[in-house]
Amino acid sequence: NAGVMQNPRHLVRRRGQEARLRCSPMKGHSHVYWYRQLPEEGLKFMVYLQKENIIDESGMPKERFSAEFPKEGPSILRIQQVVRGDSAAYFCASSPTGIQDQPQHFGDGTRLSIL
Amino acid sequence: AQSVTQPDIHITVSEGASLELRCNYSYGATPYLFWYVQSPGQGLQLLLKYFSGDTLVQGIKGFEAEFKRSQSSFNLRKPSVHWSDAAEYFCAVGAREYGNKLVFGAGTILRVKS
Repeated sequence: NAGVMQNPRHLVRRRGQEARLRCSPMKGHSHVYWYRQLPEEGLKFMVYLQKENIIDESGMPKERFSAEFPKEGPSILRIQQVVRGDSAAYFCASSPTGIQDQPQHFGDGTRLSIL
Repeated sequence: AQSVTQPDIHITVSEGASLELRCNYSYGATPYLFWYVQSPGQGLQLLLKYFSGDTLVQGIKGFEAEFKRSQSSFNLRKPSVHWSDAAEYFCAVGAREYGNKLVFGAGTILRVKS
């Protein structure tokens, strides 16, 4: 029963390093969403991707953050030159289509800690 | 701007007691409404969803929610809480007009007393 798979589950980086977070959607799902959860807050939308396309990146910080969902392989959320404020849980969700009435299924998240 | 409010940060109920978690939204469009549950260190599990039709929706684990358009609310209820229900609960709203992003409330942490 392959749900949304995220790795690593925990990631520790020093300030200035790069963080790469991976997400493999559920089988048959071609739409991927990334959300960030800061401590004691709800999830905040970051980016919505289909295979090889960024559909909506309105929630992505303008600098240092990028996302991709290549034709083959997982979706990647990349954070360059990490800072303390990037410490958060990053969740990936997937859905089979982009139609709103199909709910998003979430992975277990990647907890990013910045030293 | 779209927003979701969960007024209760923490709620404590006794095992076997009834539960109601509140959710209010502000949206300029016809909303799709969801409740998710998150156990510590885990991802979010979908409890139930409302898109259209009957305003009282049934979900998993004995949960239900009622959509009240006049009050812009989508409160989650359970008639008898079990200790395993202790978790954090998130209300989320989407709308076709705003693309595929979900807007989440800040969450309500449920503690169950035995």
